[in-house]
Amino acid sequence: DIQMTQSPSSLSASVGDRVNITCRASQSSSSYLNWYQQKPGKAPKLLIYAASNLRSGVPSRFSGSGSGTDFTLTISGLQPDDFATYYCQQSYGTLLFTFGPGTKVDIK
Amino acid sequence: QVQLVQSGPEVKKPGSSVKVSCKTSGGTFNNYAITWVRQAPGQVLEWMGGIIPVFGTTNYAQNFQGRVTITTDESTNTAYMELSSLRSEDTAVYYCARLALAAAGGGYFDYWGQGMLVTVSS
Repeated sequence: DIQMTQSPSSLSASVGDRVNITCRASQSSSSYLNWYQQKPGKAPKLLIYAASNLRSGVPSRFSGSGSGTDFTLTISGLQPDDFATYYCQQSYGTLLFTFGPGTKVDIK
Repeated sequence: QVQLVQSGPEVKKPGSSVKVSCKTSGGTFNNYAITWVRQAPGQVLEWMGGIIPVFGTTNYAQNFQGRVTITTDESTNTAYMELSSLRSEDTAVYYCARLALAAAGGGYFDYWGQGMLVTVSS
């Protein structure tokens, strides 16, 4: 199975900051790396799919990049609504998925 | 719009089974796959398995092999996840999600159910 790591595991930031979250896969399998946002008590929400595609309706301050084993989620200009936990997710075959351990973004 | 509505919370005894339902609406059921993800209290997301209804294809995460069964009822656009031999560590919120399949078997989870708490306690 592919293992995912995320860094940092948590960070404190201020409104307006630029935030980068990194996701690394133990092996390269596909570019189907997705990013989700989860707030306490709520289901995750899809932000970015296939590494760099912004889901319709998601603010353009969110962007994704990367390929192979290294991927980055960037939030350009953090907003109060963005304080949440972010998970990367990789697919590594038909109906085979794994999530990263998450990055919690809170207010400095 | 697309909605996934899950059944209500359950309390189960260790060793028993639980069957969680996920009724979908607003999309063509057979055009997508359904997957299940769980999250123990304060823990991370854990993918459990999925099904492609039009083919009846299923796959399960290694951690759940032999204990989980995912099925669908196309007449009601409902997916089910049954987990057996429950133990306290299975206490978690269980989510269904619609999987938009892409080439080479990849995809993304674009719509999620609201989650369903299963508590395993004697």
